[in-house]
Amino acid sequence: GAGVSQTPSNKVTEKGKYVELRCDPISGHTALYWYRQSLGQGPEFLIYFQGTGAADDSGLPNDRFFAVRPEGSVSTLKIQRTERGDSAVYLCASSRDGNNSPLHFGNGTRLTVT
Amino acid sequence: DQQVKQNSPSLSVQEGRISILNCDYTNSMFDYFLWYKKYPAEGPTFLISISSIKDKNEDGRFTVFLNKSAKHLSLHIVPSQPGDSAVYFCAAAYNNNDMRFGAGTRLTVKP
Repeated sequence: GAGVSQTPSNKVTEKGKYVELRCDPISGHTALYWYRQSLGQGPEFLIYFQGTGAADDSGLPNDRFFAVRPEGSVSTLKIQRTERGDSAVYLCASSRDGNNSPLHFGNGTRLTVT
Repeated sequence: DQQVKQNSPSLSVQEGRISILNCDYTNSMFDYFLWYKKYPAEGPTFLISISSIKDKNEDGRFTVFLNKSAKHLSLHIVPSQPGDSAVYFCAAAYNNNDMRFGAGTRLTVKP
């Protein structure tokens, strides 16, 4: 399939641990986004990449959250010292050029911090 | 801050009737608006969009209306079908840098 792929689909971790969530965008899409969705809420913006650089990281809640996209394709969202409040579905999306084009979402990674 | 609001958490309509989903926004800089549809355990799927230079965009059974003066947009689905049952998210963006989503409206279309 040519869609956005996110792995793992589910992740359970203990409070205080480190986790990495991976996103493979649609081939050729230069813009990549990370969102977080909690139950009963809409997706909450975290960070946006244009190519390799983070064009806007204003949505990252604190310095425990970090994301990279070293080659302008695959991206990894990293969460240090996880807390129970980090439990949510983490959604990745990509778009053709980030210029008012629709976002295409993956199915998300459900993170549960126990 | 809730820049995009969907005030109706749920909506139920009869098959064949019109579904109207509403969305309000507060940031007058938004210039691109979208509707997404989401099924359980899947990511949101793009449905239809509208640029701020238009007030209506139609795609088959789906029409999006934009009222810039009221900072309001709506999605009309007619005729509604049971397969349309899903959660619908309204989204708004300025230069696509920071797309904001509403909390969603769960639509149920009854046969």
